[in-house]
Amino acid sequence: GDSVTQMEGPVTLSEEAFLTINCTYTATGYPSLFWYVQYPGEGLQLLLKATKADDKGSNKGFEATYRKETTSFHLEKGSVQVSDSAVYFCALSALNNFNKFYFGSGTKLNVKP
Amino acid sequence: DVKVTQSSRYLVKRTGEKVFLECVQDMDHENMFWYRQDPGLGLRLIYFSYDVKMKEKGDIPEGYSVSREKKERFSLILESASTNQTSMYLCASSYRDSSVYEQYFGPGTRLTVT
Repeated sequence: GDSVTQMEGPVTLSEEAFLTINCTYTATGYPSLFWYVQYPGEGLQLLLKATKADDKGSNKGFEATYRKETTSFHLEKGSVQVSDSAVYFCALSALNNFNKFYFGSGTKLNVKP
Repeated sequence: DVKVTQSSRYLVKRTGEKVFLECVQDMDHENMFWYRQDPGLGLRLIYFSYDVKMKEKGDIPEGYSVSREKKERFSLILESASTNQTSMYLCASSYRDSSVYEQYFGPGTRLTVT
């Protein structure tokens, strides 16, 4: 069945460091891929998405490229800020099973000043 | 902007009480979802609904039921609350017939069962 695997956290970085959070997926068909962010005490909000192979999603300095050959959608940011501290979730959706979404387990990012 | 609203941000209930969590979306989405989120366990799907009066069990449906009488509203019911149902509950909605659009989340309800 469809699933998403992302690296375990927490990830602790100093401000201005480079960030990578790994995400790989298993899916039949052609899924869309998403990164969501959750700030403390809030619901999830969309960070970026890519709907077909080789697409690059980007937002607020974060980027991720849909790699079909490696079934990956790694999240990157060149220079993190303290305000990026949050939990990040990788997710996929596919039209089998009524467009149900599949989420990774989440990666907590702590950025220290 | 799409809005998904949940009836309460914080709720405290006693063991054995019947608890209703309400979720409303204004985007005319066919799909609605209930998740619970616990530290270290990520998001776990409780139930989802792909149309009015239609529902499917998710990964952890035991102890929960749902109701979808109108397209915009999806209710989660704890028939007899127990302390192990203390958690953050998140509602979400999405289109059913296109996978290119994201799932939209409400702000969450933090439920404490004492």
